Amino acid sequence: NAGVTQTPKFQVLKTGQSMTLQCAQDMNHEYMSWYRQDPGMGLRLIHYSVGAGITDQGEVPNGYNVSRSTTEDFPLRLLSAAPSQTSVYFCASSYSKLRPLPRWGYTFGSGTRLTVV
Amino acid sequence: KNEVEQSPQNLTAQEGEFITINCSYSVGISALHWLQQHPGGGIVSLFMLSSGKKKHGRLIATINIQEKHSSLHITASHPRDSAVYICAVRSRRGSQGNLIFGKGTKLSVKP
Repeated sequence: NAGVTQTPKFQVLKTGQSMTLQCAQDMNHEYMSWYRQDPGMGLRLIHYSVGAGITDQGEVPNGYNVSRSTTEDFPLRLLSAAPSQTSVYFCASSYSKLRPLPRWGYTFGSGTRLTVV
Repeated sequence: KNEVEQSPQNLTAQEGEFITINCSYSVGISALHWLQQHPGGGIVSLFMLSSGKKKHGRLIATINIQEKHSSLHITASHPRDSAVYICAVRSRRGSQGNLIFGKGTKLSVKP
């Protein structure tokens, strides 16, 4: 099925450990992004990409790295996990330019619940 | 002040009631999105609006660009509508595609 595949669904890390959250889409979307969702706050943008080889920082980029070597994949790396990175992470993709229906929407991955202890 | 404000934060309704969720924003936008997040956590797109009104089944979304306001209506609400509804705007400034999110409205529909 076409969509955004996000793995893993759950992860527990110890402080200082590193890990990579995977995100892959098969819709040929130019735009991909990572958000974190914390209680009482809206989703906040961590990093985004508008095409292979192009990435940029969002609102809360510290402690995270991304790369976009292919159109399909957009992994998020936690360099040295901290308890403040305990959150639910979502990957989302879309066409960069607004397009006529029905191809307008954003497609979200199912989320990764990360706990850093 | 948040750039996207939703009201109410929480809403409890009886099955069959007409429901309205409001969204106000303070930036110039190219589009506004309504999203639904179910208790399991998955997020799905419901609507994208740049003007006027859209309808899908029992859901209706409207936007007033001059007033920077949008509403999501649910007619004949049902317990399966229980979810968090999120308003997000695609700002005209900055890079293509980034969304600014409201904090969401948690809807609970009782049978």
